[in-house]
Amino acid sequence: AQSVTQPDIHITVSEGASLELRCNYSYGATPYLFWYVQSPGQGLQLLLKYFSGDTLVQGIKGFEAEFKRSQSSFNLRKPSVHWSDAAEYFCAVRTGGYQKVTFGTGTKLQVIP
Amino acid sequence: GAGVSQTPSNKVTEKGKYVELRCDPISGHTALYWYRQSLGQGPEFLIYFQGTGAADDSGLPNDRFFAVRPEGSVSTLKIQRTERGDSAVYLCASSSLLLAGGGNEQFFGPGTRLTVL
Repeated sequence: AQSVTQPDIHITVSEGASLELRCNYSYGATPYLFWYVQSPGQGLQLLLKYFSGDTLVQGIKGFEAEFKRSQSSFNLRKPSVHWSDAAEYFCAVRTGGYQKVTFGTGTKLQVIP
Repeated sequence: GAGVSQTPSNKVTEKGKYVELRCDPISGHTALYWYRQSLGQGPEFLIYFQGTGAADDSGLPNDRFFAVRPEGSVSTLKIQRTERGDSAVYLCASSSLLLAGGGNEQFFGPGTRLTVL
């Protein structure tokens, strides 16, 4: 069965610093990978997705993620964090042919001035 | 509407009661999903509809949970004999399966926060 691990429950970064959120997945074939952001009281918003092709994908709000098959990872990055990026971030995986999406437990990002 | 809507936004009920949660997907989206998000957890898949039929209900925790989508648009998640452990945010999402190659992004609603006392 597919699974997603987000090893960092909580991360604190200074505004303007770079950010990397870790995500590891478990699945035999190439999965469809997603990063979502959830702000308090808001629904989940898709930041970016990877299906195939270029392993470095660009998303909204200046985020990017890199798919590394050898490491079964799909880490999310941002070169310079803004205070408005404070939220909870979820990595998710969907296997081809199935619509069920499996989410990680999330990483809560705190941004300090 | 412009996005996925869910009603009510909050529901407080007593243990043993029956509740219905409603989801209005994006117009034209054929696929509809229900997830449950408990405190401190990621969303957990419950059920997926393609049109009117439940294509995958493997995530429903037990037979107290049931969902319908009679006309292929609005869906209702029904929970019988609610238990305190059912307290969570119930999320609905919809997608269009018209794009090849898996480009069917799921768009999420704001959720219904269910509290069972």
